[in-house]
Amino acid sequence: AQRVTQPEKLLSVFKGAPVELKCNYSYSGSPELFWYVQYSRQRLQLLLRHISRESIKGFTADLNKGETSFHLKKPFAQEEDSAMYYCALSQGFQKLVFGTGTRLLVSP
Amino acid sequence: GAGVSQSPSNKVTEKGKDVELRCDPISGHTALYWYRQSLGQGLEFLIYFQGNSAPDKSGLPSDRFSAERTGGSVSTLTIQRTQQEDSAVYLCASSRRVGTDTQYFGPGTRLTVL
Repeated sequence: AQRVTQPEKLLSVFKGAPVELKCNYSYSGSPELFWYVQYSRQRLQLLLRHISRESIKGFTADLNKGETSFHLKKPFAQEEDSAMYYCALSQGFQKLVFGTGTRLLVSP
Repeated sequence: GAGVSQSPSNKVTEKGKDVELRCDPISGHTALYWYRQSLGQGLEFLIYFQGNSAPDKSGLPSDRFSAERTGGSVSTLTIQRTQQEDSAVYLCASSRRVGTDTQYFGPGTRLTVL
């Protein structure tokens, strides 16, 4: 069965510190992986997807098939990065399977 | 342009009543998805529609849940005989096509079953 695991419910860091939000998945095929973000009082929105191999708002994520991971990283966290982050896996490029989310809190 | 809209934003109902939740996708988007976010849970897939194809209902938790998409646009999610465990935020998303494009989410409907 397809599953996405985000082991941390809350990650609290200080401004300027590096951030890594963990995501592990289980999937029998070739996964399509995403990170979605939900800022306070805003709707869920796509942050990045692994096939794009791009950096958005300073965040990057690398798909590691050996470790079945897709961790989200940023070298220097900003206060405006505080939000709920969801890792998601696409089943056959259709419905999304989400993790339970990690709340990132960046303190000044 | 306008994003995905959902109504109502909040719905409080009594156990046993039926409720209807509405989703207006982005114009021109042929794929429409419903997800549910329960307290302490991640988002779980419920159903998706792609054009005129038969919907994928594999995520609907029980036969009390049903959804329609009329005219390839607006969708209604109906929950019959609501139970307290149905309390959740129901999210709708749309994309240009199934499989190829980003899913854009609506603001959600918060359903509370008393």
